[in-house]
Order: sequence, then C-alpha cells, then structure tokens
Amino acid sequence: QSVLTQPPSVSGAPGQRVTISCTGSSSNIGAGYDVHWYQQLPGTAPKLLIYGNSNRPSGVPDRFSGSKSGTSASLAITGLQAEDEADYYCQSYDSSLSGSNVFGTGTKVTVL
Amino acid sequence: QVQLQESGPGLVKPSETLSLTCTVSGGSISSYYWSWIRQPPGKGLEWIGYIYYSGSTNYNPSLKSRVTISVDTSKNQFSLKLSSVTAADTAVYYCARDVVPAGGRWNNWFDPWGQGTLVTVSS
Repeated sequence: QSVLTQPPSVSGAPGQRVTISCTGSSSNIGAGYDVHWYQQLPGTAPKLLIYGNSNRPSGVPDRFSGSKSGTSASLAITGLQAEDEADYYCQSYDSSLSGSNVFGTGTKVTVL
Repeated sequence: QVQLQESGPGLVKPSETLSLTCTVSGGSISSYYWSWIRQPPGKGLEWIGYIYYSGSTNYNPSLKSRVTISVDTSKNQFSLKLSSVTAADTAVYYCARDVVPAGGRWNNWFDPWGQGTLVTVSS
C-alpha cells in the first residue's frame, strides 16, 4: 500500500522514448520532498539512477532524465535499449503519521 | 569505492528474531547514515530504518515496535534485528548507505546498496 503510485508496466521499441510517472500527494512529493529513481535489473540489487529529482550519478547515461512537478515526478528514458529492461522505483519521504522514507509501487519496463 | 555486504541466517522460525549484519568495506562507516531496506519476493521495496554512525536511529512506523538497528564502528558494521517474525517478513534484505544532502535529512537517497540476502521465515 505505497503512497507513491507508478504504472505497473510500460513498453517501447528500441530507440523509442518511454516515461514512468510517480504520483504522490501533498504529504510527500507535493510537500517539496525530493524524488529519486532506482533501476533494478533482474536478480540484482537496486541501483541509483536519478537523485534530487533530476540529477544523474556519474556513469548513468544521459538517456535517463528525471523531473518533478506538483505532486508527481517522472522518469524518461530516451533511445530505449535492450539493457534498459528492468524494474524502476521512485523514492521520496512521506510526512503523514510519523513520517517515513517511501518507495513507489514499481514499474516494469519491457523493450519490445 | 564503498561496498556493502549483508550476512546472516537465511532461515528463521516464526516468532523468533531475524538478525542480519552489514559489513562496509572500501570506506569508513563514520560520518554517514546507513539504512536497511527489504523486498518481499516479487514485490516492491520497503524502507525499514536508518542508523547514524553515532548511534541515533529512526524506524519505519509500521515496523518500529519490532525493529532494532545498531552500529559497531570498530568493525565497520551495522546490524538489524527484527523480532516476532512471521511469513510476511520473508524478503530479500538490503543494506545501503543513506545519503543525506545539504537540503535536508529527508531529501535522502540510497547509494550504494549491498547485493541483498534472502531471509525466509518458516518452521
């Protein structure tokens, strides 16, 4: 019962652009807390993809970009490649109740 | 670069206490926050809690009554204890460095992560 909602799946052909939404509320993204994104390849640990809404760690291709507006955030992958097939999670903080780091529900990206 | 490795029993009986340790290599555990995160099979991620190298902690309210996280700076390790476990606690447990930016404690992110360890709760 995550407070950050993502589409269960998105797909695209190689070279296409796909976007993943992360929808929150006024107690998390809408309250101004940063959103971060992780990529989880099959059978591996999550890896940081985007931090602070739109920043890429060293080594992450510029095909990945993040944005945030209002109570939502988005991850875009341009020039989709076969190696991008993975699960993607957003993460932020929720101040409701006693507060907690929270993750999105996760999105499976399939490269057709 | 910093690497993390989880260790501990892969099988725990219901009602008992799950205990895991995360060993940090390639850097000091000091001056950082460190978190535990879990992922039930086929499901999403859940943050369990963090510890600062000084020993201060903060836990997910949904698990707070059963969680204890501790740190041993002399061994460059931090540990997780989860009491009164049930089958619902079966998951891959990850440890991660909890990166806190200048913009505030709760704008934090997790990087890097350990490889994870599967803990199954079953009799």
